[in-house]
Amino acid sequence: EIVMTQSPATLSVSPGERATLSCRASQSVSSNLAWYQQKPGQAPRLLMSGASTRATGIPARFSGSGSGTDFTLTISSLQSEDFAVYFCQQYNDWPRTFGGGTKVEIK
Amino acid sequence: EVQLLESGGGLVQPGGSLRLSCAASGFTFSSYGMSWVRQAPGKGLEWVSTISNSGGSTYYADSVKGRFTISRDSSSNTLYLQMNSLRAEDTAVYYCAKSGPYFFESWGQGTLVTVSS
Repeated sequence: EIVMTQSPATLSVSPGERATLSCRASQSVSSNLAWYQQKPGQAPRLLMSGASTRATGIPARFSGSGSGTDFTLTISSLQSEDFAVYFCQQYNDWPRTFGGGTKVEIK
Repeated sequence: EVQLLESGGGLVQPGGSLRLSCAASGFTFSSYGMSWVRQAPGKGLEWVSTISNSGGSTYYADSVKGRFTISRDSSSNTLYLQMNSLRAEDTAVYYCAKSGPYFFESWGQGTLVTVSS
């Protein structure tokens, strides 16, 4: 099973600042990586697939990069609605696996 | 607009059974794989099962293999998850998701399953 590790567990950021979230795979997943955002009491929402392709309706301030084992999700200028938990997920192999999540909180 | 509406959750005793349903609309159901993903209270996301668009291929997490069965009915645009031999560790919100076999494009709001005596 491919283990996905996200860091940090919690990221404290001021509105308007940049946030950088990391996701590492225990073995290569090529570019078969997705990112999701989840707000309290809500279902997750797809942000990114293919490591760097934004889903429909996702603002350009969200960007993804990386391939192989190391990936990054960057939020260029945090808005109030961006404070949430973010999960990465690999779909290179079965079982599909998620990282433990990074909570982005207001500093 | 894609809509996924889960139902069938509730309180069940350990060893019991439950059948979840997910009514899908807003897309061509028979063209997409579908999945179940769960989230234990206060925890992260765990993929449970995926079924191909035709229903001919199914995939399961080891934690549920042999106990859960995923199925679909394209005549009613409904996805199912039959859960048997339930354990306390199966307690979670269960989400239905529109997916290829890959990532999870759209999610329902979830249904809570609680396994407790």
